[in-house]
Amino acid sequence: EAGVTQSPTHLIKTRGQQATLRCSPISGHTSVYWYQQALGLGLQFLLWYDEGEERNRGNFPPRFSGRQFPNYSSELNVNALELEDSALYLCASTGTYETGELFFGEGSRLTVL
Amino acid sequence: KQEVTQIPAALSVPEGENLVLNCSFTDSAIYNLQWFRQDPGKGLTSLLLIQSSQREQTSGRLNASLDKSSGRSTLYIAASQPGDSATYLCAVSLGGSYIPTFGRGTSLIVHP
Repeated sequence: EAGVTQSPTHLIKTRGQQATLRCSPISGHTSVYWYQQALGLGLQFLLWYDEGEERNRGNFPPRFSGRQFPNYSSELNVNALELEDSALYLCASTGTYETGELFFGEGSRLTVL
Repeated sequence: KQEVTQIPAALSVPEGENLVLNCSFTDSAIYNLQWFRQDPGKGLTSLLLIQSSQREQTSGRLNASLDKSSGRSTLYIAASQPGDSATYLCAVSLGGSYIPTFGRGTSLIVHP
C-alpha cells in the first residue's frame, strides 16, 4: 500500500514568486496536515484539512493557503515568496484525527533565492 | 498553549548502550502521543503511538511510556545500533484541538 506522497521533491523559486506543493494521503485517509520545518527550527503547524474542509490553521500569514480535493489529496500554495519561506514542507495524513496515527510523506524542499 | 520539550537535544553513545529519550508537555489533557524518527532531510517515520488511556507501547527494541499526570513520556531504546542514528521527535495532541504539537527533537548518534 502506498504511503503519503508529496511532489515536487525539490523546488527552487525566487522572491515574489508563487509555489504550489502537492500531497496525496494514504488511501482511505481523509485528514491532511501541513507542517513547515525550517532549518534549525522544529515542525510548525501550517494547515489541517479534513473531509474537504479547512479545520484549523497555524500562525502563518494569509499568503500561505491551500485546499483539499474530493479525493482527499491536498495542495499548499505560498504566494509572494520570501527568503524565510525556504524550508522542508511536510504533509501528513491520518484516518481518524481523534485517535489516529499520523503518517508523513518525504517532504518538499522549497528554496527561495 | 501546549508546549513540548525534549531532553537531551543531542546524544552521542557507543553501540550497544541502552538509551532513554525524554519528552515533556505542559498540558496533561492529551488524547495521544506519538514518537517519530527523522533521518537528515527526510520525512518522519512513525515509531510508536500511545493513546491517552495507555501507559506504554512496545515495538522491537523500542518502548515508550506515558505518564499524563507528570506530563512526561520516555522512549527507551535497547541495545542501540549505528542504524538508530537519527533525530527522534515526539508529538502531543490535545483533546479538542487535534493538532499535534512537536518537540524540537533529540539528535542521536550511535557510533560503532
